[in-house]
Amino acid sequence: AQKITQTQPGMFVQEKEAVTLDCTYDTSDPSYGLFWYKQPSSGEMIFLIYQGSYDQQNATEGRYSLNFQKARKSANLVISASQLGDSAMYFCAMREGQGGSEKLVFGKGTKLTVNP
Amino acid sequence: NAGVMQNPRHLVRRRGQEARLRCSPMKGHSHVYWYRQLPEEGLKFMVYLQKENIIDESGMPKERFSAEFPKEGPSILRIQQVVRGDSAAYFCASSAGVNYGYTFGSGTRLTVV
Repeated sequence: AQKITQTQPGMFVQEKEAVTLDCTYDTSDPSYGLFWYKQPSSGEMIFLIYQGSYDQQNATEGRYSLNFQKARKSANLVISASQLGDSAMYFCAMREGQGGSEKLVFGKGTKLTVNP
Repeated sequence: NAGVMQNPRHLVRRRGQEARLRCSPMKGHSHVYWYRQLPEEGLKFMVYLQKENIIDESGMPKERFSAEFPKEGPSILRIQQVVRGDSAAYFCASSAGVNYGYTFGSGTRLTVV
């Protein structure tokens, strides 16, 4: 079973509007972390935001916020006031447990296109 | 403060040749991870190393692939006798340790012709 599911292969948004990118996850570990990365066409992986499973508040970083619904096992990324430079692939990822390998498991990604 | 440095950025190899991909972690980071990204896919974990130790290689193909992180120098991902299916982007990430974030390099795009 997939551990990270991103159900939107592609999303379109008008410049200056907000957009939500969906991510659901599957784990039985009570301790985990959720990450969002942006991959522009140039190919690098850019860290956006992190949410720990025990964090009480939803994470925010500038125009990025994470809508963390633990009971639903969802960690949607909200981008406010979209800009043309936000056009990119967006990946949700999860790290399970404390200690051990600490590897990340990635979803397949969502391609976001911001229209002028 | 340089980030994670990967080289080469692009690498072309003929089938049967060897590919060596290098990764220098961020200063102060002793944990290195290698991931592979096939076209139109997310990143898939390959191997996790600390200095001179392989901690988790559960994502590494059983044959032809190896990785090291020596006491001195960069981490190396080595692919012997490359095949067309090895064509992918290979990313390295480094971390200061447990419960720290990851910083990714820009990746090496391997093309096997």
